Amino acid sequence: KQEVTQIPAALSVPEGENLVLNCSFTDSAIYNLQWFRQDPGKGLTSLLLIQSSQREQTSGRLNASLDKSSGRSTLYIAASQPGDSATYLCAPDSGSNYQLIWGAGTKLIIKP
Amino acid sequence: NAGVTQTPKFQVLKTGQSMTLQCAQDMNHNSMYWYRQDPGMGLRLIYYSASEGTTDKGEVPNGYNVSRLNKREFSLRLESAAPSQTSVYFCASRWTDSNQPQHFGDGTRLSIL
Repeated sequence: KQEVTQIPAALSVPEGENLVLNCSFTDSAIYNLQWFRQDPGKGLTSLLLIQSSQREQTSGRLNASLDKSSGRSTLYIAASQPGDSATYLCAPDSGSNYQLIWGAGTKLIIKP
Repeated sequence: NAGVTQTPKFQVLKTGQSMTLQCAQDMNHNSMYWYRQDPGMGLRLIYYSASEGTTDKGEVPNGYNVSRLNKREFSLRLESAAPSQTSVYFCASRWTDSNQPQHFGDGTRLSIL
């Protein structure tokens, strides 16, 4: 059974810092891995999707990497801004009935 | 640009009452999902529908029923609400034939007293 762990559970840093959020998963047989952002009281917004054949994906200040063999993914946020404050969730897709398995998320606070 | 629309946004029920949470998507996605999100836990899948006319149980289906009314709509029903079902419920949809992400609604915040 796939299990997903996100570390740290919470992170508070001053504006401008570069950050790394970690996601580990136990079953490396994944179809892709997705990173989402959740703002308070809102739904989830897809940030990046890394296919199993890819090593990384970039979107603006965000870069996500994937190491399937070690069961790890990282989300790198460059030059953090207060607007980046949110909870970030990762979800590997095992392809089994198209279900995502979710981590509990990292709550990020960027202080002005 | 409606995406995934959930109704209602908030609801308070008494134990034993029933209600249906509605979800509709306008992206012509074939798969739809219902999740619940509880503090400190990841999203847990309640039911999903891989295509119109099919539904399957997820991780936590007990106490819930679903209906895939058509390609656009996927409803979640609580027949006899229990306090343990107090949660935030999210509906999502996606294409399942390619590497496309899930799209989420804004959630329904449900309290069972």
